[in-house]
Amino acid sequence: DVVMTQSPLSLPVTLGQPASISCRSSQSLVYSDGYTYLNWFQQRPGQSPRRLIYKVSNRDSGVPDRFSGSGSGTEFTLKISRVEAEDVGVYYCMQGTHWPPYTFGQGTKLEIK
Amino acid sequence: EVQLLESGGGLVQPGGSLRLSCAASGFTFTSYTMNWVRQAPGKGLEWVSAISGSGATYYADSVKGRFTISRDTSQNSLFLQMNSLRAEDMAIYYCAKDGYNGYGTIDYWGQGTPVTVSS
Repeated sequence: DVVMTQSPLSLPVTLGQPASISCRSSQSLVYSDGYTYLNWFQQRPGQSPRRLIYKVSNRDSGVPDRFSGSGSGTEFTLKISRVEAEDVGVYYCMQGTHWPPYTFGQGTKLEIK
Repeated sequence: EVQLLESGGGLVQPGGSLRLSCAASGFTFTSYTMNWVRQAPGKGLEWVSAISGSGATYYADSVKGRFTISRDTSQNSLFLQMNSLRAEDMAIYYCAKDGYNGYGTIDYWGQGTPVTVSS
């Protein structure tokens, strides 16, 4: 199975400041169709996960444009340009290329400093 | 609007059984793979099982031989029969819809149903 490794696991950020989360995969996530199936999810306290980003850099409908995804191959990044209070929660990367199974990173807990 | 509503969670003794259900609406149920993903208390997300649009089934090694995924296409319902439950199976179980049909992404999640395994 593909191992997904996130860093950092804890991310204290001052309101209005940027934040960045790294995700590495143990194998290339480029699928046979040429696409890279790397996703980012946000899980706010007490809520279900919500998809933010799919295929590395595509934002879901309703996701603020302060969220952006980038990367290729085995290295990926989620960036928040200016952290707001509602961004508090845990962020997970998930690969969908080498399925089954879907595999997730350990999660990065974002908190306000 | 896609909706996924899980039910069936609860308290069960080690070695016991439980059947989870997920009522799906807002999309063509048989066109997408459906998944169960779990989250142990204070832990991360773990994919458990999936059933494809054509009915093929897949399992994580940790549950193979103990859990069975199934669906009722006439009712747009997904199920997870869990037998021989262990303490490590205790988690919130989420029903989750594929964005495609068997790879790529999960685009919608239910609210989850909690399973507690304890004597």
